[in-house]
Amino acid sequence: GENVEQHPSTLSVQEGDSAVIKCTYSDSASNYFPWYKQELGKRPQLIIDIRSNVGEKKDQRIAVTLNKTAKHFSLHITETQPEDSAVYFCAASVPGGGADGLTFGKGTHLIIQP
Amino acid sequence: GAGVSQSPSNKVTEKGKDVELRCDPISGHTALYWYRQSLGQGLEFLIYFQGNSAPDKSGLPSDRFSAERTGGSVSTLTIQRTQQEDSAVYLCASSWNSGGTEAFFGQGTRLTVV
Repeated sequence: GENVEQHPSTLSVQEGDSAVIKCTYSDSASNYFPWYKQELGKRPQLIIDIRSNVGEKKDQRIAVTLNKTAKHFSLHITETQPEDSAVYFCAASVPGGGADGLTFGKGTHLIIQP
Repeated sequence: GAGVSQSPSNKVTEKGKDVELRCDPISGHTALYWYRQSLGQGLEFLIYFQGNSAPDKSGLPSDRFSAERTGGSVSTLTIQRTQQEDSAVYLCASSWNSGGTEAFFGQGTRLTVV
């Protein structure tokens, strides 16, 4: 089945700096890569996603890049703000893949230092 | 209508008792996932349902855990003879299809076994 590795497990950056979180996946059939943000005590929520037919997608201060050949994808947050502090989960999705239809990484705890 | 709804939001139970956790997915969503999240940890996959098909139970940690999904909609996760290590937040998510689409999470049930 699909396996998703996520790094780092914890990331601390100064407010205003950029943060990058990286994930790799194992199943070349995966074609959808969402990123979820989970604030303390709340449910995970989708913040951005990318499909395998594009290499990059941006939404204001966040962007995601995908390298299908290397089977890795990354989340980039620029001009970080205190409200960016949260746990971020990447996921890889195999269409019609049953339980592999959504496989999560172990999460990155992002800490924004004032 | 409403998003994914879980009940109860909090449950405190004595060790050895059985508990039932409920998940109401978004109407029309055929895929339903259960995850367990221990404090500060990632999303541990438990079980997956797709429509009326037999569930993928590969993530259930022991035979004390079971789940069902009636009529392809509401799901209940049952934990028998609860143990202290079962204490965690249990999250349910649903999506339109198996793979390739956004998954929406419920707010979770915080289970505490004393």
